[in-house]
Amino acid sequence: DSGVTQTPKHLITATGQRVTLRCSPRSGDLSVYWYQQSLDQGLQFLIQYYNGEERAKGNILERFSAQQFPDLHSELNLSSLELGDSALYFCASSVESGLAGVNEQFFGPGTRLTVL
Amino acid sequence: GEDVEQSLFLSVREGDSSVINCTYTDSSSTYLYWYKQEPGAGLQLLTYIFSNMDMKQDQRLTVLLNKKDKHLSLRIADTQTGDSAIYFCAETTWVYNQGGKLIFGQGTELSVKP
Repeated sequence: DSGVTQTPKHLITATGQRVTLRCSPRSGDLSVYWYQQSLDQGLQFLIQYYNGEERAKGNILERFSAQQFPDLHSELNLSSLELGDSALYFCASSVESGLAGVNEQFFGPGTRLTVL
Repeated sequence: GEDVEQSLFLSVREGDSSVINCTYTDSSSTYLYWYKQEPGAGLQLLTYIFSNMDMKQDQRLTVLLNKKDKHLSLRIADTQTGDSAIYFCAETTWVYNQGGKLIFGQGTELSVKP
């Protein structure tokens, strides 16, 4: 158990809908990362938050947004869903003090999104 | 740009050594990582190596880094059936105060036959 929790485990929805994925980082970790794992794109970095602020952005679509709340949990919002958004969405957390270092990221079990 | 490549499949017999290879393109990579993903689970960090090192050993795991050729390998000694999983190579390039996103390879599915 990595200490990172994600809810829900599975989500089935229809095209055009909007969903929210939730992540609670390990106690003490200030950084939260979101990754998407799909068969055709592999594991891709979406976005990172550090202590409530956006730190880095990857291949995140404009239909997707995220935020990190004062209690450090994070939510990833996916809207106007398309069939191609079906994937496993992982959240990871790290201490990441902002200084260069190994930055070990601990991954949650993922949320499997199926868009029908 | 940043790119990480791995072969997709590897099959070995129990007790043999497994070697999983990875190549990357970003010469400014700071750390390189090996993650393991078991079915239905998240990713688990197995080991990492700093870019100025050539080798790192951690029990049954040996990581070799050839920075000139941008080649990373993970050797698992005495491979067991419990090692069957997907292994991801990943790299990160640190930019001060701008985060440490991981760039992953496609993953190598290791199958260990008894």
